[in-house]
Amino acid sequence: DTAVSQTPKYLVTQMGNDKSIKCEQNLGHDTMYWYKQDSKKFLKIMFSYNNKELIINETVPNRFSPKSPDKAHLNLHINSLELGDSAVYFCASRRQDNTEAFFGQGTRLTVV
Amino acid sequence: GNSVTQMEGPVTLSEEAFLTINCTYTATGYPSLFWYVQYPGEGLQLLLKATKADDKGSNKGFEATYRKETTSFHLEKGSVQVSDSAVYFCALTRAQAGTALIFGKGTTLSVSS
Repeated sequence: DTAVSQTPKYLVTQMGNDKSIKCEQNLGHDTMYWYKQDSKKFLKIMFSYNNKELIINETVPNRFSPKSPDKAHLNLHINSLELGDSAVYFCASRRQDNTEAFFGQGTRLTVV
Repeated sequence: GNSVTQMEGPVTLSEEAFLTINCTYTATGYPSLFWYVQYPGEGLQLLLKATKADDKGSNKGFEATYRKETTSFHLEKGSVQVSDSAVYFCALTRAQAGTALIFGKGTTLSVSS
């Protein structure tokens, strides 16, 4: 069973569209994250949720809105997509008292 | 703030060569340190970790020692294989609710036979 799963794996869409990426973890973890990996492979934290509460909200355009319906899910909705949003987005999770994080396989978003 | 600096790549080696990827960090207190690996087209996998000073993490022939005096966590492997070709990330974090992993910029390793 996949521990942290993201869907879709690939997403190609036009500028101006709205899209969502879903993430689910079956590890019983309390904390979930979204990271953005750019074309140079740099990983930057976007959001962190602990027990469904937003903890970290880095300098991310407000077109990006995370939603955590329960502890096992953290979805990412993006409005009015721009070319610069093209990247690989990773979901991750961990127990709040443990430092080891588990990552999903990533969603490669291409905005054309 | 917290940060991680790792050596610029790419690193190109022949099979069975010795590998070192340097990593230094800046942090208050005592963070946990990690090496993650990303194989082509895949997500990140934890390679090894160390949670306190002088701890040595090891896995799949890779090793790294948490050196507080030099704020370093260098990755080493005695004999690399073609299958080790990947991007390697050094990272740090704390065991505190919601705290994120802070990553270095990644080092691409290419091993040829």
